[in-house]
Amino acid sequence: DTGVSQDPRHKITKRGQNVTFRCDPISEHNRLYWYRQTLGQGPEFLTYFQNEAQLEKSRLLSDRFSAERPKGSFSTLEIQRTEQGDSAMYLCASSSFHPETSRNEQFFGPGTRLTVL
Amino acid sequence: SQKIEQNSEALNIQEGKTATLTCNYTNYSPAYLQWYRQDPGRGPVFLLLIRENEKEKRKERLKVTFDTTLKQSLFHITASQPADSATYLCALDMGGYSTLTFGKGTMLLVSP
Repeated sequence: DTGVSQDPRHKITKRGQNVTFRCDPISEHNRLYWYRQTLGQGPEFLTYFQNEAQLEKSRLLSDRFSAERPKGSFSTLEIQRTEQGDSAMYLCASSSFHPETSRNEQFFGPGTRLTVL
Repeated sequence: SQKIEQNSEALNIQEGKTATLTCNYTNYSPAYLQWYRQDPGRGPVFLLLIRENEKEKRKERLKVTFDTTLKQSLFHITASQPADSATYLCALDMGGYSTLTFGKGTMLLVSP
């Protein structure tokens, strides 16, 4: 399967603990996105990378959140000192962005469901 | 900032009928408008993209229209099937280095 993969699929943690999620994008894609989705809502943008550069971060991304994409391949999203409000589905997506066309359809992974107790 | 409105109530239709879902937005027209399908517990799946200068796009049983005057996109599924039951999300793509802004989605239920 050459789609976007995410690990773990489910994570249950206690408030105050740190968690880290991993995303492996489609190999030839240059962009990688992180989104958060809660029940009944659409995905909310958190941050994205073009290759290894983090180009934008949402105001939703508090100081407790950090994302990396070393070497422009896989990415990790870490949440420090988790809060109950962090409970959500964390989605990763990748795309092959071309400046000449500017179109940007995204391919999503299955998500990591985080539950903070 | 952009606001996107999709019908929050589920759309119930009978198999074989045409489903029509609405996506309205405020402020500036996007360079592209995208539609995704999402099944419970899964990530969204890209379906169709339409440019601001296109009126209509088709793919098999799917049709998308884009009216920048009304600031609206309509998404049609013809000859609907129970397997089409899912949540459908519209997303605005302003182009360039911007990111996608998603609506809340509309749940479609197709009964046999």
